[in-house]
Amino acid sequence: AQSVTQLGSHVSVSEGALVLLRCNYSSSVPPYLFWYVQYPNQGLQLLLKYTTGATLVKGINGFEAEFKKSETSFHLTKPSAHMSDAAEYFCAVIHGSSNTGKLIFGQGTTLQVKP
Amino acid sequence: GAGVSQSPRYKVAKRGQDVALRCDPISGHVSLFWYQQALGQGPEFLTYFQNEAQLDKSGLPSDRFFAERPEGSVSTLKIQRTQQEDSAVYLCASSPLFGSDTQYFGPGTRLTVL
Repeated sequence: AQSVTQLGSHVSVSEGALVLLRCNYSSSVPPYLFWYVQYPNQGLQLLLKYTTGATLVKGINGFEAEFKKSETSFHLTKPSAHMSDAAEYFCAVIHGSSNTGKLIFGQGTTLQVKP
Repeated sequence: GAGVSQSPRYKVAKRGQDVALRCDPISGHVSLFWYQQALGQGPEFLTYFQNEAQLDKSGLPSDRFFAERPEGSVSTLKIQRTQQEDSAVYLCASSPLFGSDTQYFGPGTRLTVL
């Protein structure tokens, strides 16, 4: 069975510092990988996704993530945190052979940005 | 353009009541998904429609949960005889096609069962 593990349920950084949110997945075939952000009382918004091609993916709001097959990881980074980045972040996968495209989510990481 | 909308945004039900949650996907989107998000958890898949066909309902937790999309557009998730463990945010998402296509999420319906 597939699973997604997000290391660290809470991450706190100072404004301007590097943001690193970790995501590891288990899958027997290459998956499709996603990062979503959720602000309070709002739905999920796509930050970025990896399907095929270049393993370094750039998304919105200055975020990027790198697919590392050997490490089964898809960590999310941003060079300089902004106060507006405070939110809940979810890593998710779609199994490579899925015929429905259902997303399997990690437990989420709450990002706190300190002034 | 308009995104995915869901109604009601908040629903309080007494244990044993039936509830119906509505999802209006983005116009023309083929695929529609329902997810359940418990407090402090990631969303979990409930069911999937491709147009009007329900192709996957493996995530529905019990036979009290029923979903439909009769005309391939609006979808309704119905929960019969609600229980306290049904309290969660119910998210709807739609995508233009299927497979690895990006899913666009609605704001969710927060269901509280007393």
